[in-house]
Amino acid sequence: AQSVTQLGSHVSVSEGALVLLRCNYSSSVPPYLFWYVQYPNQGLQLLLKYTSAATLVKGINGFEAEFKKSETSFHLTKPSAHMSDAAEYFCAVSDRGSSNTGKLIFGQGTTLQVKP
Amino acid sequence: EAGVTQSPTHLIKTRGQQATLRCSPISGHTSVYWYQQALGLGLQFLLWYDEGEERNRGNFPPRFSGRQFPNYSSELNVNALELEDSALYLCASSVGRPGYGYTFGSGTRLTVV
Repeated sequence: AQSVTQLGSHVSVSEGALVLLRCNYSSSVPPYLFWYVQYPNQGLQLLLKYTSAATLVKGINGFEAEFKKSETSFHLTKPSAHMSDAAEYFCAVSDRGSSNTGKLIFGQGTTLQVKP
Repeated sequence: EAGVTQSPTHLIKTRGQQATLRCSPISGHTSVYWYQQALGLGLQFLLWYDEGEERNRGNFPPRFSGRQFPNYSSELNVNALELEDSALYLCASSVGRPGYGYTFGSGTRLTVV
């Protein structure tokens, strides 16, 4: 069965520092992988997605993620944090089974705090 | 292009009442998905509608139901509301295979008192 693990429910960085949010997945077949961001009292916004093209995926707001099959990871990074990046981030996975279930499997989320 | 729109933004109901939440997908999207985001429980899959049919439902009691209309908009109905139904209800839509990801709306905050 698919699963997603986000390491660290809370991550705190200083403004201008590197952001690294970790995501590991388990899937028996090559997956599609997603990062979503949720600002307070809002819905989820797609940051980026991996759908078996380039392993380094660039998204919106300066974020990028690298798919590493050998490590079953899809970590999200941003070179320099901005105060506006403070939000909750969700990693999600789908595979061929999702075409039958409609489900994306979400991690539990990581809250990013950015300190001035 | 208009995004996924949900109404109302906030809804306050009394225990035992019924709640109706509405969702309009992005134009051209035929699939609609409903998720519940309750405090501390993460995102829980509720329902998937495609081409007017219910394709899958998550592990929720039958008092959670919905439908999809010919214009692909959708309603989520929650009957006999319980306090633990208080949550953010998110609607999403997609075109084609759901595995390629969804676009979410801003959600409806349901509070049961």
